[in-house]
Amino acid sequence: DGGITQSPKYLFRKEGQNVTLSCEQNLNHDAMYWYRQDPGQGLRLIYYSQIVNDFQKGDIAEGYSVSREKKESFPLTVTSAQKNPTAFYLCASSPGQGNSRYSYNEQFFGPGTRLTVL
Amino acid sequence: AQSVTQPDIHITVSEGASLELRCNYSYGATPYLFWYVQSPGQGLQLLLKYFSGDTLVQGIKGFEAEFKRSQSSFNLRKPSVHWSDAAEYFCAVGLYNFNKFYFGSGTKLNVKP
Repeated sequence: DGGITQSPKYLFRKEGQNVTLSCEQNLNHDAMYWYRQDPGQGLRLIYYSQIVNDFQKGDIAEGYSVSREKKESFPLTVTSAQKNPTAFYLCASSPGQGNSRYSYNEQFFGPGTRLTVL
Repeated sequence: AQSVTQPDIHITVSEGASLELRCNYSYGATPYLFWYVQSPGQGLQLLLKYFSGDTLVQGIKGFEAEFKRSQSSFNLRKPSVHWSDAAEYFCAVGLYNFNKFYFGSGTKLNVKP
């Protein structure tokens, strides 16, 4: 089955540590995204990538870093510079350019990773 | 700046009653519009989407939404709510040829037996 996987489901981090959240998709999608979700605030975009080896900052990129070395993978690192990292993190993908207009903008979401800083 | 507003944070309806969740957006042109549903601790699932054409769109699980250009709204409706519909619902706006989404803050739906 095609889809998006995120691991781990739950992650605990001590203050001052960097942690990396995994996101893998086998949908052959060009674009991938990372969102942060906090209660009552909806989803906020951290980083997105429209193509391999390229990515752009979203609205709340400070304290986070990403890489896009492979089309199917878009890992997110939460660094010690992120002041309040406890949140639910969602990864998404979309077909991106080159596909039909009607599938261009639809995003497909993974199951999420809950990060807690101890 | 683009924005998506869901004015209702929480809504409680009785099982079998009708439902309408409100969504308003702010954008200069007609965007792509989406409704997603999220169960606790899960990812988001697409309910329906509007790109163009008929302004009343049908989605999964018996949901529908109507795009009203004059009101910049895209409200989600269901004629008869089931207990399994209890979840959080997000409205989202996608911009053509610009691969980003803007999400509303969500509406939590509780269903009374």
